[in-house]
Amino acid sequence: EVQLVESGGGLVQPGGSLRLSCAASGFTFRDYWMSWVRQAPGKGLEWVANIKQDGSEKNYVDSVKGRFTISRDNAKNSLYLQMNSLRADDTAVYYCARGTSDIPDWGQGTLVTVSS
Amino acid sequence: QSALTQPASVSGSPGQSITISCTGTSSDVGAYNYVSWYQQHPGKAPKLMIYDVNKRPSGVSNRFSGSKSGNTASLTISGLQAEDEADYFCCSYAGRSTYVFGTGTKVTVL
Repeated sequence: EVQLVESGGGLVQPGGSLRLSCAASGFTFRDYWMSWVRQAPGKGLEWVANIKQDGSEKNYVDSVKGRFTISRDNAKNSLYLQMNSLRADDTAVYYCARGTSDIPDWGQGTLVTVSS
Repeated sequence: QSALTQPASVSGSPGQSITISCTGTSSDVGAYNYVSWYQQHPGKAPKLMIYDVNKRPSGVSNRFSGSKSGNTASLTISGLQAEDEADYFCCSYAGRSTYVFGTGTKVTVL
């Protein structure tokens, strides 16, 4: 059974940083693109970033370019999202997801709240 | 990277069919056959219902079907059931390994 477990969310002040982690199990992690998708409270889904199997390609939505960095450790079956210069509009539940063009597996999400 | 446009809400009676539209541009929906649809119940993670415009993952009811014409993709739910009441989001490939989601549609079963 595929499991994706996010951690690292919490309350952070504007301008602060946070690192999200996603522990993956139940599939061969190194064989898949991985993605982060977020959802602001009461709002829709927003694709944030994805990363190729070997980490050689990373892509971001324009609103986070230069502030967020996606990475992975295939030896640890883990996906990460380093978030810097956080803003109020980054407040959202952040989902770790297996795949990119069609996503069959999602974590339960971790809430990031950016507020003073 | 503007969100794809979906109607805010669609409703129908049990047994009826409803269709949700998803309008993009010639740079996303119109350019690629990589449109997917997700169902999301309150407080839950999204569930993949359709991928590659019209393919159903294993385990998804055949009451769900997808199509595309030009810059607009559609999700049709036939034989509407109470359990179909949820939010639905489309998603399209937008080139250079980037993706864009739709604004979301709340489906209400009357």
